[in-house]
Amino acid sequence: GENVEQHPSTLSVQEGDSAVIKCTYSDSASNYFPWYKQELGKRPQLIIDIRSNVGEKKDQRIAVTLNKTAKHFSLHITETQPEDSAVYFCAASKGNTGFQKLVFGTGTRLLVSP
Amino acid sequence: GAVVSQHPSWVICKSGTSVKIECRSLDFQATTMFWYRQFPKQSLMLMATSNEGSKATYEQGVEKDKFLINHASLTLSTLTVTSAHPEDSSFYICSASYGDQPQHFGDGTRLSIL
Repeated sequence: GENVEQHPSTLSVQEGDSAVIKCTYSDSASNYFPWYKQELGKRPQLIIDIRSNVGEKKDQRIAVTLNKTAKHFSLHITETQPEDSAVYFCAASKGNTGFQKLVFGTGTRLLVSP
Repeated sequence: GAVVSQHPSWVICKSGTSVKIECRSLDFQATTMFWYRQFPKQSLMLMATSNEGSKATYEQGVEKDKFLINHASLTLSTLTVTSAHPEDSSFYICSASYGDQPQHFGDGTRLSIL
């Protein structure tokens, strides 16, 4: 089955710096890759997603890149702010819809210091 | 839009009791709901996929008789932890999807078994 690896497990940056979180997946049939942000004790919230027919997607300070050949995708956060501090999870699924089950990475704890 | 409500948010009960957790899609019809388990500082592990009107599909290693799932309508799925024991203590989160939309998560239920 699918296996998603995520690095780093923790990431500390200064406010205003950029943060990059990387994930690799094993199943070449996976074609949908969402990123979720989870604050302590709260629900995971979708922040951005990308489908396999696109190499890059951007939404304000957040961007995701996908390299299908290498089977890895990355989350980029620019101009980080303290409120970006949270745990970020990448995920992969084989379907282009929410019907397909997601396999999550192990998470990255991001700490943005003022 | 796409609000998923989960109830209760926190349960504390004695070992041996059964606990029911509800997951509702408030403003959309969810043909598929997912149940996850999350241990502290760990990732989300899919327990089962629940489709309205049919039996749930459980992930390997998840006991179907221990974790009963019912998806009786397009807006409600329930997870019952039967004869709960301390090792069942965890954070349980549901998600729901419809059409080609991403999964939307509930707020989670923190279950503590004494």
